Amino acid sequence: AQSVAQPEDQVNVAEGNPLTVKCTYSVSGNPYLFWYVQYPNRGLQFLLKYITGDNLVKGSYGFEAEFNKSQTSFHLKKPSALVSDSALYFCAVREGNQAGTALIFGKGTTLSVSS
Amino acid sequence: EAQVTQNPRYLITVTGKKLTVTCSQNMNHEYMSWYRQDPGLGLRQIYYSMNVEVTDKGDVPEGYKVSRKEKRNFPLILESPSPNQTSLYFCASSLVEGRLEQYFGPGTRLTVT
Repeated sequence: AQSVAQPEDQVNVAEGNPLTVKCTYSVSGNPYLFWYVQYPNRGLQFLLKYITGDNLVKGSYGFEAEFNKSQTSFHLKKPSALVSDSALYFCAVREGNQAGTALIFGKGTTLSVSS
Repeated sequence: EAQVTQNPRYLITVTGKKLTVTCSQNMNHEYMSWYRQDPGLGLRQIYYSMNVEVTDKGDVPEGYKVSRKEKRNFPLILESPSPNQTSLYFCASSLVEGRLEQYFGPGTRLTVT
């Protein structure tokens, strides 16, 4: 069965510092991995994804994530945090190449960037 | 503007009173899905549809119905709502199912008393 874990409910960083939001996953085959962000009173917005290829993927708003197959991780990173990055972040995984397989979301991590 | 719309955005209702939450997308997407978001549980899939007239259960389908008679619309129906269905609901769509990102609607906050 597929699963995804975001071990931190909240991450606090100071503006200008690097940030990392952690995600680990479990699938039986190759994963499709996604990061979404949710701002207050808004729907989820897509940030980036890993399907295949280069393990380092770059996405919107300066975010990037590194796929690590041996550690089954897909941590979200940004070199220099902004106050406007404060939001709820979701990692999601699905079994690649398996039609009809649901996209499984983590419980979310609240990122708080202080000025 | 490419978007997913949901109506209503907020709804307070009573136990047992049938309701429908509409979802519409203008991107000609084949895949549509409904999720509920609850604190500490993340998003859980209720139902999904890979194309017109093709729907299937997600992880938490009990108490919900859906239909997909047209490509753009995917309404969520609660025949007899109960308080445990109080939640924030999101509709999402993607061009096809699988490797492409999903576009989410703004959400519907439902309270069942």
